[in-house]
Amino acid sequence: GQSLEQPSEVTAVEGAIVQINCTYQTSGFYGLSWYQQHDGGAPTFLSYNALDGLEETGRFSSFLSRSDSYGYLLLQELQMKDSASYFCAVRLSGSARQLTFGSGTQLTVLP
Amino acid sequence: EAGVVQSPRYKIIEKKQPVAFWCNPISGHNTLYWYRQNLGQGPELLIRYENEEAVDDSQLPKDRFSAERLKGVDSTLKIQPAELGDSAVYLCASSFAGGDEQYFGPGTRLTVT
Repeated sequence: GQSLEQPSEVTAVEGAIVQINCTYQTSGFYGLSWYQQHDGGAPTFLSYNALDGLEETGRFSSFLSRSDSYGYLLLQELQMKDSASYFCAVRLSGSARQLTFGSGTQLTVLP
Repeated sequence: EAGVVQSPRYKIIEKKQPVAFWCNPISGHNTLYWYRQNLGQGPELLIRYENEEAVDDSQLPKDRFSAERLKGVDSTLKIQPAELGDSAVYLCASSFAGGDEQYFGPGTRLTVT
């Protein structure tokens, strides 16, 4: 089976930088995705890493280390609107389009 | 461009009653997914369609759940009969075949009493 571990809650202040870690145990790993979900809203895609290294998209960056089965999402210049749940999800090579999601990290941004 | 459309947004039913959810994916997306999301958890895949073919339904409780995507466009997920443990948000998502990004609809929040 697959398992993903991410912190359940993270709190930070506006303007700060926060890192949300994700470790995974899977067979047939293909890539790691990150999704954001506001309360009552739909999950929205943030990033996808198939190769080791850092991917940057505006204020958000995502990192992957396949050898360590580890990734993280980095959020810079935090804004109040970034308060949401963040899910890491592994994409498996056996059924390449299937995502297995972690339990999510609730990020609270304080003024 | 219209996003993934789901209806209804909310549904309250008594246990043992049937319920159906409808999803219209983004135009041109071959792949359609149904997920269930329990409170405080990540989405869990129930079934995936490639066009009209169900290619992964290993997580679908087939004794009470069924799904169809007859013309390879919109899809319906049905529960009959519903149980208390089925209370959750049912999310539909779509993507291009082989696409890295899945686009989610707003979900249907089901409450079984």
